[in-house]
Amino acid sequence: GAVVSQHPSRVICKSGTSVKIECRSLDFQATTMFWYRQFPKKSLMLMATSNEGSKATYEQGVEKDKFLINHASLTLSTLTVTSAHPEDSSFYICSASGGVRGGHEQYFGPGTRLTVT
Amino acid sequence: AQKITQTQPGMFVQEKEAVTLDCTYDTSDQSYGLFWYKQPSSGEMIFLIYQGSYDEQNATEGRYSLNFQKARKSANLVISASQLGDSAMYFCAMSDSWGKLQFGAGTQVVVTP
Repeated sequence: GAVVSQHPSRVICKSGTSVKIECRSLDFQATTMFWYRQFPKKSLMLMATSNEGSKATYEQGVEKDKFLINHASLTLSTLTVTSAHPEDSSFYICSASGGVRGGHEQYFGPGTRLTVT
Repeated sequence: AQKITQTQPGMFVQEKEAVTLDCTYDTSDQSYGLFWYKQPSSGEMIFLIYQGSYDEQNATEGRYSLNFQKARKSANLVISASQLGDSAMYFCAMSDSWGKLQFGAGTQVVVTP
């Protein structure tokens, strides 16, 4: 149980285009989903927290107009990187919580590797 | 503000031996959670073990155990009987009262035959 999927797993796009990444909880209802960014050999950095039906809360320094997050249902959250630039190239990971450990446990998706050319 | 510190950037361990990965934290919250995740080269984050701040007993999950010393604010991970498949990056993380996770810098573990 507690499986989270991400799609696509890998995407290459041109500068200036937008890319949408989907995060789905497959076998549980995720009241909260989180989006992280990870640079090579570095730790995960939280970008934003999204709760179903409400606006996402962004961490300091994260541009909300660039990284659009939609949490339309209890099983789906999307991250759209708008007008992508090469510096947006990174590994993006989502996680979902709603588990049994008082809601603290997060289940991670397999990640999406974005390359902007 | 919360802070998670992993001071070991990398470690080598021989197969079948035990290894301890250090993690210290700082928080003013009374209620928090401590987690360890494994990240192999594929990139997926694999949950290993969880310790709640009010749990009196150290958490154990198979070959993983968490040495929780609340007064010292440490939450070290012990992997017993290391296997080649344990080679990966290991992250310590702490959740706040909102469930947000903050990660340490990670420790790269290499298990040698």
